[in-house]
Amino acid sequence: DTAVSQTPKYLVTQMGNDKSIKCEQNLGHDTMYWYKQDSKKFLKIMFSYNNKELIINETVPNRFSPKSPDKAHLNLHINSLELGDSAVYFCASSQDGGSGEPQHFGDGTRLSIL
Amino acid sequence: GQSLEQPSEVTAVEGAIVQINCTYQTSGFYGLSWYQQHDGGAPTFLSYNGLDGLEETGRFSSFLSRSDSYGYLLLQELQMKDSASYFCAVRDLGYKLSFGAGTTVTVRA
Repeated sequence: DTAVSQTPKYLVTQMGNDKSIKCEQNLGHDTMYWYKQDSKKFLKIMFSYNNKELIINETVPNRFSPKSPDKAHLNLHINSLELGDSAVYFCASSQDGGSGEPQHFGDGTRLSIL
Repeated sequence: GQSLEQPSEVTAVEGAIVQINCTYQTSGFYGLSWYQQHDGGAPTFLSYNGLDGLEETGRFSSFLSRSDSYGYLLLQELQMKDSASYFCAVRDLGYKLSFGAGTTVTVRA
């Protein structure tokens, strides 16, 4: 069973479109995250939810909106896609966000904007 | 804010030992973690140091010196499958994990 699964794996779309990425974890974790990894492999936190409550909201354009319907799911909706949004988006989860808690990552969604 | 520095690339032969250094500046410090990422894959957790000293997990070890704001990941008995990117990451006062830019390790036969 996949621990953290995100869909779709690949997303190719045109500038200006709206798209969503879904993430689900079956680890029973309380905390979930969205990261963006650019072409230089720099991995940056975007959002984090703990038990459906937003706890991290980095400087991200408000075109990006996360939603957590329950603690096992964290989706990412992106409005008016721009060329600079092309990246790999990773969902991750951890038990409680504590210091030593490992984060478990999904396989990533490769977003390409045409 | 946080900043982390690690070398961008390291190349070594099979069986060798590689040390990846990481220096950090952070407003609050709650531990140093290391993650491995193969090309096209997901980052996977390798180790965590919350206190000074050495943590050993099989062929991999990680070290932390909080007074020096410094840590390293030691890869021993290198294997071809160890070719990957390795990221150090620090946790600050909140839940946020800030990653370094990554070190690409290439293992040659």
